[in-house]
Amino acid sequence: EAGVAQSPRYKIIEKRQSVAFWCNPISGHATLYWYQQILGQGPKLLIQFQNNGVVDDSQLPKDRFSAERLKGVDSTLKIQPAKLEDSAVYLCASSFMTSGGLETQYFGPGTRLLVL
Amino acid sequence: SQQGEEDPQALSIQEGENATMNCSYKTSINNLQWYRQNSGRGLVHLILIRSNEREKHSGRLRVTLDTSKKSSSLLITASRAADTASYFCATGNNDYKLSFGAGTTVTVRA
Repeated sequence: EAGVAQSPRYKIIEKRQSVAFWCNPISGHATLYWYQQILGQGPKLLIQFQNNGVVDDSQLPKDRFSAERLKGVDSTLKIQPAKLEDSAVYLCASSFMTSGGLETQYFGPGTRLLVL
Repeated sequence: SQQGEEDPQALSIQEGENATMNCSYKTSINNLQWYRQNSGRGLVHLILIRSNEREKHSGRLRVTLDTSKKSSSLLITASRAADTASYFCATGNNDYKLSFGAGTTVTVRA
């Protein structure tokens, strides 16, 4: 079974530039998550999709971050314009939705972003 | 804000020794999960324990959960160099979201 794919793996940009990350979840997984992981911290949920609808984006800085999941499969996360504090690893995860919220999340390798 | 807090922040042990790390959380949960993250990689699920369970084993891993104290522990027995990684606890509810702690960094010395 193929895992969660993410690209690019690394990105270096200057502040105020824009950047986009791509995620392809495991086939059949209805739920997709984007996390931000700052160095030395645990992952922080940015947005959660159920198929192609947003379930929770309360932690997404909507003035600069946007995300979409067209057709309920692939997803893109965009930052425009980037700030220095956006330097982090952006992790995509997916899960197969079961009852009771007991499912495991499967993570991609992440995209390491450095904003200069 | 992050729900779980791991303790200690860092742990260094000799190969073959056991490693124990703890996780405390604040609000009621449906389940608690432990994940491992090797340097520069994504997280890998290790084990899930439900709120009505007290102990669970998986290979060299043993997890306990005390809901009255809102705490969990992860024990890795007979550690190996390959166990060097960061370990995160994550609490879950019925909303299909996980809230992660800051992690414990484990270094296993040969």
